Amino acid sequence: DAGVIQSPRHEVTEMGQEVTLRCKPISGHDYLFWYRQTMMRGLELLIYFNNNVPIDDSGMPEDRFSAKMPNASFSTLKIQPSEPRDSAVYFCASSSMGGAGEQFFGPGTRLTVL
Amino acid sequence: SQQGEEDPQALSIQEGENATMNCSYKTSINNLQWYRQNSGRGLVHLILIRSNEREKHSGRLRVTLDTSKKSSSLLITASRAADTASYFCATDAGQAGTALIFGKGTTLSVSS
Repeated sequence: DAGVIQSPRHEVTEMGQEVTLRCKPISGHDYLFWYRQTMMRGLELLIYFNNNVPIDDSGMPEDRFSAKMPNASFSTLKIQPSEPRDSAVYFCASSSMGGAGEQFFGPGTRLTVL
Repeated sequence: SQQGEEDPQALSIQEGENATMNCSYKTSINNLQWYRQNSGRGLVHLILIRSNEREKHSGRLRVTLDTSKKSSSLLITASRAADTASYFCATDAGQAGTALIFGKGTTLSVSS
């Protein structure tokens, strides 16, 4: 199994540009989570899906952030327009049991907004 | 908001010593999990302990859970340089099917 796949691994962009992060969960997992990690705030849950349906997006910082899961094998997190304070490592994780079980994390996307 | 809070924030030990990290949380839980993160990598699951369990072992790892005190500890015995990483506790806030809430982690440095 390839595990959770994220792309790109690194993204450098300029303020105001649109950024799209991608995630392929582990096949058969019906929960998908997007997290953001910074030194200041630690690991924050942004949004999670169950069976492709967004369940809780209360962690999405503002309307500039949006996430979709068009099918069971693909999800995107979009930031438009990006700002320097969005610089962070963004992780995608998948699970077969939500909070009741183990989450499998991708390698993360390191985003730098100049 | 953070559900779990790890203590200490940073820990430095010598190879062969034991490392103990603590986690406190605020609400009732169904389970508590510990994860490790090596520098520049994603988190890796280490161990899960359910609310009706008091202690669990996995190799050199020992986890305890005290639901009355809303706290857990992770003990790594006979530490190795490869154990150098950040360690996070995560809880489910007592609701099945919901997301985990992670603490800010303990950074462990093991020197040889």
